[in-house]
Amino acid sequence: GNSVTQMEGPVTLSEEAFLTINCTYTATGYPSLFWYVQYPGEGLQLLLKATKADDKGSNKGFEATYRKETTSFHLEKGSVQVSDSAVYFCALSDRGGSNYKLTFGKGTLLTVNP
Amino acid sequence: ETGVTQTPRHLVMGMTNKKSLKCEQHLGHNAMYWYKQSAKKPLELMFVYNFKEQTENNSVPSRFSPECPNSSHLFLHLHTLQPEDSALYLCASSEPQDTQYFGPGTRLTVL
Repeated sequence: GNSVTQMEGPVTLSEEAFLTINCTYTATGYPSLFWYVQYPGEGLQLLLKATKADDKGSNKGFEATYRKETTSFHLEKGSVQVSDSAVYFCALSDRGGSNYKLTFGKGTLLTVNP
Repeated sequence: ETGVTQTPRHLVMGMTNKKSLKCEQHLGHNAMYWYKQSAKKPLELMFVYNFKEQTENNSVPSRFSPECPNSSHLFLHLHTLQPEDSALYLCASSEPQDTQYFGPGTRLTVL
């Protein structure tokens, strides 16, 4: 079946540091890939997505590139801010049958210190 | 982002109570979802509705009963829950075969 593996957290960085959160996946077919972010006390917000190989999703300074050859979708940001502190989830879609189901990783907690 | 709303945001209930969670989406979508988020576990898909019809029940115990009266509203009726059912319950919506958008969740505590 499908699966998503994220790097174990927590990740603690200083403001303006470079961020990488690794994500690899196993899937049949050609899934779409997503990063969602969950701020404290809130639900999940879509951060970015990519629907086919070599696509780059970007939003709010975050980027991730769909790498089919390495089955990866690593999240990066060049300079993090305190307000980026949150839990980040990598996910893939499964277009099997009539449903469009998401398979999530376990999440990575990011804490950015001033 | 107010496209998907959930009420209540917090709920405390005893094991013999009956309560309902409500989700409403203002995005014109035709698919709606319930997820359970427990500490230290991946998000678990519970139910999927497409055009008001339930198309997925991910082996959820019968003490959770979903209802989708129209494409904009989704309910989760709760009865005789267990303490291990305490979690954040998230609702999402999408166009079929498209990106899912989540609500803020209901934090449920079962005493």
